[in-house]
Amino acid sequence: GDQVEQSPSALSLHEGTDSALRCNFTTTMRSVQWFRQNSRGSLISLFYLASGTKENGRLKSAFDSKERRYSTLHIRDAQLEDSGTYFCAAEDTGGADRLTFGKGTQLIIQP
Amino acid sequence: EAAVTQSPRNKVAVTGGKVTLSCNQTNNHNNMYWYRQDTGHGLRLIHYSYGAGSTEKGDIPDGYKASRPSQENFSLILELATPSQTSVYFCASGDRGVSNERLFFGHGTKLSVL
Repeated sequence: GDQVEQSPSALSLHEGTDSALRCNFTTTMRSVQWFRQNSRGSLISLFYLASGTKENGRLKSAFDSKERRYSTLHIRDAQLEDSGTYFCAAEDTGGADRLTFGKGTQLIIQP
Repeated sequence: EAAVTQSPRNKVAVTGGKVTLSCNQTNNHNNMYWYRQDTGHGLRLIHYSYGAGSTEKGDIPDGYKASRPSQENFSLILELATPSQTSVYFCASGDRGVSNERLFFGHGTKLSVL
């Protein structure tokens, strides 16, 4: 099975609403990184976390520091420009410096 | 800001032909990666490298070779291209130990094998 499972696979929201995306890991992970892929296909790094939480504007991400088996990305007051596909990628504790990606959450923000 | 440049941006190849995808980074990162992205699969790791002269197999290495002749350059080689290798390929660089430890991606190469 997949090491990194993202949910939901797709989500449609109206402007101004809040949402939460989640990544579950089948094993303990060292770190997690969240990306947004825009309509041109570019991957934009949002957060890198080895533990705890980080916040940037309307985005906030958390990485479960105890068991290190899940991470969340919260979007507050969604705007049209938040539309895109969101990926989480996690590094396992094996020390190989490689990230495994989830299959993504397609987020559509409607006016 | 870190820079990863891929070339070409688009490529059409014939079945059985040789294809080389190039990646250059100006970040002085030790690690570089090649991923492919397909609908329903997300990004999957093909090959990666820890530095000049190093290449490591990722999760789906079959049908691909990699070459890291220098710190800056990392190539992905398809010796005998097949239609199943039609995909979008992303190169990335990154480094453990720097403060953010992020992966930086190129803009992608769209490869079509006919």
